[in-house]
Amino acid sequence: EVQLVESGGGLVQPGRSLRLSCTASGFTFGNYAMNWFRQAPGKGLEWVGFIRGKVYPGPTEYAASVKGRFTLSRDDSKSIAYLQMNSLKTEDTAVYYCTRDPEPKNWGQGTMVTVSS
Amino acid sequence: DIVMTQTPLSLPVTPGQPASISCRSSQSLVHNDGNTYLCWLQQRPGQPPRLLIYKISNRFSGVPERFSGSGAETDFTLNISRVEAEDVGVYYCMQATQFPYTFGQGTKLEIK
Repeated sequence: EVQLVESGGGLVQPGRSLRLSCTASGFTFGNYAMNWFRQAPGKGLEWVGFIRGKVYPGPTEYAASVKGRFTLSRDDSKSIAYLQMNSLKTEDTAVYYCTRDPEPKNWGQGTMVTVSS
Repeated sequence: DIVMTQTPLSLPVTPGQPASISCRSSQSLVHNDGNTYLCWLQQRPGQPPRLLIYKISNRFSGVPERFSGSGAETDFTLNISRVEAEDVGVYYCMQATQFPYTFGQGTKLEIK
């Protein structure tokens, strides 16, 4: 059974950093590209970024709203994807989810990030 | 960026009646590989999103047969043949053909 568990969220002040993790199980993680999405309170879904698997190497992609501040990475040996978030803004407050690419077939519960002073 | 436009944004439905949600993209969603990466997601209150339909018309595992998807190029539709109380929530279309991936605004389905 495919499982994705997001973790690492919390309350952080504007301008600070946070690293989220996405721990995967039930499939060969290294063979899949991964996406991150987010959902601000009471709002719709927003794509954050994409990181390729080892099978099809290539550039990592980011939404314009996070480019230059967020960095995706992965450790295939541990089946974990990471979202490093720097220079956080209040508008980054959201629940963050990771899914496989391209069809988001499996969703975890997400991890809540609150950026507030 | 590809803009996804859903209609209606609010959809009150009597149980047992059909429902339909439209999603239009600002450009063709046919990928270079020949696939069309248009999917539909359901989000029940307080829950994470759930994939219903992928590549226009493929029902994901465990999704009831009353959900179906259709369309091509820039016009897509999610149909629910007979709405049930458990279908309450917000429905999103999403394109994964071109970066940045984009979503429709969401359609809130409620029971009359």
